[in-house]
Parts: sequence; structure tokens; C-alpha cells
Amino acid sequence: GAVVSQHPSRVICKSGTSVKIECRSLDFQATTMFWYRQFPKQSLMLMATSNEGSKATYEQGVEKDKFLINHASLTLSTLTVTSAHPEDSSFYICSAFLPGLAGGLSSDTQYFGPGTRLTVL
Amino acid sequence: EDQVTQSPEALRLQEGESSSLNCSYTVSGLRGLFWYRQDPGKGPEFLFTLYSAGEEKEKERLKATLTKKESFLHITAPKPEDSATYLCALRGGATNKLIFGTGTLLAVQP
Repeated sequence: GAVVSQHPSRVICKSGTSVKIECRSLDFQATTMFWYRQFPKQSLMLMATSNEGSKATYEQGVEKDKFLINHASLTLSTLTVTSAHPEDSSFYICSAFLPGLAGGLSSDTQYFGPGTRLTVL
Repeated sequence: EDQVTQSPEALRLQEGESSSLNCSYTVSGLRGLFWYRQDPGKGPEFLFTLYSAGEEKEKERLKATLTKKESFLHITAPKPEDSATYLCALRGGATNKLIFGTGTLLAVQP
């Protein structure tokens, strides 16, 4: 299947610093990418939809000034957690949408990256 | 409001003991029902997409089915390596975003 990568896989930072997470689609172009966060033993919660060349769409309750999303190319989206605090510690996962017809697949697929574990001290 | 409910929350099986996981949903205009497997500390791994009632898809020991209100993930003769959290997700409306259920944690004992 298609591959989505994330970097870094794990990051530890001090409170008040900013952290950037990269999400890349390695073998296909993704006009739409999604950012999720997952707390321990909980399911994935959508944070925002990232559209190439336009502003991201944030879910209700997600601070757009704190979680900056940039989708500058068809294979790269970045999430920057600004002025991180301990409560931002979580598992951040990106995904890329691949339409069935465009990707030669029989059905639409959304591929996920391996995730980034953020720990804010 | 689109919603996804998975049951049971956790399931423990003996190796070879077949069972089913349930995903109940409500949606205004289904545009895909997705199943994923997630191992601890990793991103979800895509399994299936289903679109219409009556549709079935299979992959090794897994078979996914869909009705107008539910989807089932049938696991036949499971092995310990099938142990994982299985997530169901719904796509409805005009966007491509997925709404996830809380998952079923499956443990298969040898």
C-alpha cells in the first residue's frame, strides 16, 4: 500500500518551545491530508484538514493559532505546535487521502503515518 | 450528527476461536465505512473500505461486512499476531474526513 511518513517519530521538548512535525506522502500526491491526536487508550480525534495551497480547516475546539498547519506541496504537510505545554503531550498522527480512481485502487483509501510521540516537560 | 460506536471495548480469544467485532453507525449519506488495525505506538493500518449495504471484503483471516446500520469485522481462526486494536471509521457528508469509533482491543492467546 501507499506509504505516509512522519518525522520525528518521537520528540521531547521544554514547556514554551515550538515543535514542528512533518508528514510526507512518499509515493503519491495528496491534495488533502489530515492531522489527528490520540491520548492513551483513546481513539483518534481529528484536529484539522490540510489542503494543499490553501488554509487548513480546524475542528471545533482546536486552536488554530496554537496548532499551525502548512501544506506547501502535494507531498508535504507540517504541523507546528507553538508554545507547547505539558497538556499538549500526545500522539500526533497524520493521514493522506487517496481517491480510488486516481490511485488505481478499487476504493478510496486513507493512509496513516506512523505517528509522532510528543512529550512536553 | 454522524456517529460511530464500536463493541465490545475489549475481547479476549483463544487461538483459533472465531468471533466478530461490531461497528454501529448513524450517518447522513454514507461515503465509506473504513476498518483499520492499530498496534501500540503505531499509526493505523488500512484494512478495508465498504460503501453499500451487502458489500463484503476479505483479507486473510478477516472479513468485513456492511448493513445499513452496522459493520462487522469477522475474524476466523485468529492467531496471536492478530492481537491489536481494531478501529472503525465513517466518512459522510461532503468532506473526506473520517470519524473514528473508540476501537476494540483484541487479545488472542496461544
